[in-house]
Amino acid sequence: NAGVMQNPRHLVRRRGQEARLRCSPMKGHSHVYWYRQLPEEGLKFMVYLQKENIIDESGMPKERFSAEFPKEGPSILRIQQVVRGDSAAYFCASSPSAASYNEQFFGPGTRLTVL
Amino acid sequence: KNQVEQSPQSLIILEGKNCTLQCNYTVSPFSNLRWYKQDTGRGPVSLTIMTFSENTKSNGRYTATLDADTKQSSLHITASQLSDSASYICVVSGSNYQLIWGAGTKLIIKP
Repeated sequence: NAGVMQNPRHLVRRRGQEARLRCSPMKGHSHVYWYRQLPEEGLKFMVYLQKENIIDESGMPKERFSAEFPKEGPSILRIQQVVRGDSAAYFCASSPSAASYNEQFFGPGTRLTVL
Repeated sequence: KNQVEQSPQSLIILEGKNCTLQCNYTVSPFSNLRWYKQDTGRGPVSLTIMTFSENTKSNGRYTATLDADTKQSSLHITASQLSDSASYICVVSGSNYQLIWGAGTKLIIKP
């Protein structure tokens, strides 16, 4: 049973470009959470999705950031017109149900560098 | 404001020694507290989870304690190994699915 997979592991973008981060949850998990981690800081919640639904996006910046979790395929975190401040590690976690939100299993993360 | 604070920020000990990491939280209502280990460049991995009624939980050489009255937790590592070098993060969950993360303690084990 493969764990949570994220790709790419490393992504370099120039200011103004778009970044697309992908997350495939563990088999049988239909709940996905995205976090951002700045250097030397703790993880910060961004968004919580269930298949085809955004449950809570209160931690996600209102502009330039969007997330989706389609019926088929991975969850996507999209950052438009990236700026240097978007440079961070982005982690995805998944859980089997809403009730087990505290049993989140994490992927290896995508490290985004904005030049 | 829901917060989790950890100390020390970083710690260096010799291989084979014991150490204790601290976590104070102000999350209310409280559901459970979890300690994660995060290796450099990797995602966090859960070590222990404790609910309100539990005051100690062990996982091999890791022992976590919880005092829900004082809102404090500690993670004790015995007979440290080089592979214990990592960040240790205290995470508290409240009434909803959002987890409140501490900034972590960076532990370095020297041979």
